[in-house]
Amino acid sequence: DIQMTQSPYSLSASVGDRVTITCRASQGISNYLAWFQQRPGKAPKSLIYAASSLQSGVPSKFSASGSGTEFTLTISSLQPEDLATYYCQQYSSYPYTFGQGTKLEIK
Amino acid sequence: QVQLQESGPGLVKPSETVSLTCTVSGGSVSSDDYYWSWIRQPPGKRLEWIGYTHYSGRRNYNPSLKSRVTISVDTSKNQFSLKLSSVTAADTAMYYCVRERESSGYDYWGQGTLVTVSS
Repeated sequence: DIQMTQSPYSLSASVGDRVTITCRASQGISNYLAWFQQRPGKAPKSLIYAASSLQSGVPSKFSASGSGTEFTLTISSLQPEDLATYYCQQYSSYPYTFGQGTKLEIK
Repeated sequence: QVQLQESGPGLVKPSETVSLTCTVSGGSVSSDDYYWSWIRQPPGKRLEWIGYTHYSGRRNYNPSLKSRVTISVDTSKNQFSLKLSSVTAADTAMYYCVRERESSGYDYWGQGTLVTVSS
């Protein structure tokens, strides 16, 4: 199975800040990478597919990049509603696997 | 607007089979463009892909669960389902049904249903 590792495990930032989360795959996955946001007590929400494409309705404050084994998700102009855990997922090969999550806290 | 809604027993005894159903509204499970998936999340842990089905009969399961999992589609009811047999406490999790579009990944998620395995 392809292992997905995110960093950092958690981070704390202030309203208005820009934050970046990294996701690394244990082997190359081209651009078969998705990002999800999970607010406390809620179902995940899809943000990004194909490493850098925004899902319909997702605001442009979310951006992502990467290919191969290293990927990033950037959230600009942080707002209180961005409090959540963010997950990456590879869908290059079965079984699809997820990162352990990055918990974003707002100072 | 597409909506997915899980339903199931909530509490299951060890060694039993749990059956969950996902009812789809605002879209058709018979569409060639979509795959219908189950993903679970044990308390405090990361998400785990269980598998998917397509109305054509194509299916794929996580090898770690393959011997115990069946995912199927009921086009007459516009639903798809998950059966997981021989459950143990390790299967306690929130179970989500999700729509996957081949070109753009997962787009719609259900709200999730909690399955607790306990005697």
